[in-house]
Amino acid sequence: QVQLVQSGSELKKPGASVKVSCQASGYTFNDFAIYWVRQAPGQGFEWMGYINTNTGNPSNAQGFTGRFVFSLDTSVTTAYLQISSLKAEDTAVYYCAREREDSEALGHWGQGTLVTVSS
Amino acid sequence: ETVLTQSPGTLSLSPGERVTLSCRASQSVSSNYLAWYQQKSGQAPRLLIYGASSRATGIPDRFSGSGSGTDFTLTISRLEPEDFAVYYCQQFGISPYTFGQGTNLEIK
Repeated sequence: QVQLVQSGSELKKPGASVKVSCQASGYTFNDFAIYWVRQAPGQGFEWMGYINTNTGNPSNAQGFTGRFVFSLDTSVTTAYLQISSLKAEDTAVYYCAREREDSEALGHWGQGTLVTVSS
Repeated sequence: ETVLTQSPGTLSLSPGERVTLSCRASQSVSSNYLAWYQQKSGQAPRLLIYGASSRATGIPDRFSGSGSGTDFTLTISRLEPEDFAVYYCQQFGISPYTFGQGTNLEIK
């Protein structure tokens, strides 16, 4: 079955960087894009963008450019989200997700990675 | 960007009741590109409905979705204890693929 397994929680100081991983299994990795979604504590979801796993081309939503970088390592079927120059307001749970086979709705989700930015 | 406004923000109901949640878009969204998710505390979201009205795999038939254009609804015909959670709509028609702010369904 389709599984997306994310890396564990991170505690970082302001100004540091973090790299969150999302390892996919149970399907052909190149067939589906990987999406990234942010959820700040007690808040709703923000769509951050996605990476085309076939071409490696990222598409970042407005507000998630510059410091937010999507990348891949197809040899280990893993997508990455790197955030640099971390700020307190980046504290959130970051989810990777994949669309359904027959719809762009996000039918498969990772378990989420909590990134806490605090001095 | 397309703003999705969900109402009400919070609902307090009892098991066995029927509930309808609303999701209104600031511009027209193709029905093919409207989804509903359920999120329980500390968990990742779960897809309930895609294409405005199609149930995802394993979703009980007490959940149904409808609507078109700018107005969409999620109906739960008879609430079970496990249905008390937060519900979100999302549109995929126009980038960025925005979410509503959620409706918190709590036990009365």
